[in-house]
Amino acid sequence: IAGITQAPTSQILAAGRRMTLRCTQDMRHNAMYWYRQDLGLGLRLIHYSNTAGTTGKGEVPDGYSVSRANTDDFPLTLASAVPSQTSVYFCASSKGRGETQYFGPGTRLLVL
Amino acid sequence: QKEVEQDPGPLSVPEGAIVSLNCTYSNSAFQYFMWYRQYSRKGPELLMYTYSSGNKEDGRFTAQVDKSSKYISLFIRDSQPSDSATYLCAMTPISGTYKYIFGTGTRLKVLA
Repeated sequence: IAGITQAPTSQILAAGRRMTLRCTQDMRHNAMYWYRQDLGLGLRLIHYSNTAGTTGKGEVPDGYSVSRANTDDFPLTLASAVPSQTSVYFCASSKGRGETQYFGPGTRLLVL
Repeated sequence: QKEVEQDPGPLSVPEGAIVSLNCTYSNSAFQYFMWYRQYSRKGPELLMYTYSSGNKEDGRFTAQVDKSSKYISLFIRDSQPSDSATYLCAMTPISGTYKYIFGTGTRLKVLA
């Protein structure tokens, strides 16, 4: 693989269910990010990680959690999904702070 | 007021036209500017990046930054139907933060 992969591609989820979105990069980038993209609101940062073992909150972190056990993987978990979490979720990575971000193909999530 | 403003479009142009896409920003700390292209139902794809004021050219694309006016532009020469996509500007202060601010995107249609 080359770049960033995300899984699943799309998902329909019942409200209240737990869901983990997966993200893997093979570029050995230190920093990774999760965004949600909503019409008219653009890309909004949910959580980020500047290196394995550390995470930070972005603009819209409520209802989401992340972990960074190693360099390559950065899963995003919705503990108890709500309809307002219906969105397209993008994972991204960069070599470091303030450097170009590269994006995955996205996960389309519908919470009913 | 949003930190980054971008006209959502849609912008429709005939094939071969020169396209100008623009963003304005309010935070003078932004030092690193990027343009992404996003096709429907795909992840953002990096087109160009620049640190400095002035022009940077890559094939049919030219990125222009005017820090004194807090204004950035992307020009597309000899536009093609395959350029039809949403174009996102993004920017970051580089140091001291993992904060990247994205415009909401301009939808471009190049008509054959």
